[in-house]
Amino acid sequence: DTGVSQDPRHKITKRGQNVTFRCDPISEHNRLYWYRQTLGQGPEFLTYFQNEAQLEKSRLLSDRFSAERPKGSFSTLEIQRTEQGDSAMYLCASSLGLASAYNEQFFGPGTRLTVL
Amino acid sequence: KQEVTQIPAALSVPEGENLVLNCSFTDSAIYNLQWFRQDPGKGLTSLLLIQSSQREQTSGRLNASLDKSSGRSTLYIAASQPGDSATYLCAVKIQGAQKLVFGQGTRLTINP
Repeated sequence: DTGVSQDPRHKITKRGQNVTFRCDPISEHNRLYWYRQTLGQGPEFLTYFQNEAQLEKSRLLSDRFSAERPKGSFSTLEIQRTEQGDSAMYLCASSLGLASAYNEQFFGPGTRLTVL
Repeated sequence: KQEVTQIPAALSVPEGENLVLNCSFTDSAIYNLQWFRQDPGKGLTSLLLIQSSQREQTSGRLNASLDKSSGRSTLYIAASQPGDSATYLCAVKIQGAQKLVFGQGTRLTINP
């Protein structure tokens, strides 16, 4: 494993359904981030974990959104009662955290969500 | 609130030209700045990271500079190639926070 992986790569769902995305970070990275990117825009921060602790959440993360990182390894992002406005690319990133002087973030390929 | 702006939004140049992409940010209290490349429908590839104490970083045909006091960074691409066509994003990491704040990107097209 040489990079961040995300699954699925594409998800089409109907409005009102629940969806869950998975992110597997680079194995030695203890920090994990979720971002959302809409068409033509830069990514926007959603939330971040250090190990299993969720330390920061954006106001963009409404109560329909929940993220977990149960064992400090992979993470899941769930969206309940999806709305058409949730259609976006969901990006996951990871970094070494305090072990790195630079704390460079490395991104996965993203999950493209389309809500019909 | 930190805001990041990239100008121009789109740029089209003939192959072989040297070019400069611009990024500006409103709050100079940054920890570092990263430049990314994004191909259509794909994730982000990190190109260069500049720490706040550094002035520039180089990787191959790419050179990124940082002027923290004026809130500006530039990405210089030498001898552009059609394979350089992509969207280029800059992002700053604010001091005391972990998130990256992104610009909207510059969509670059290199014409053969």
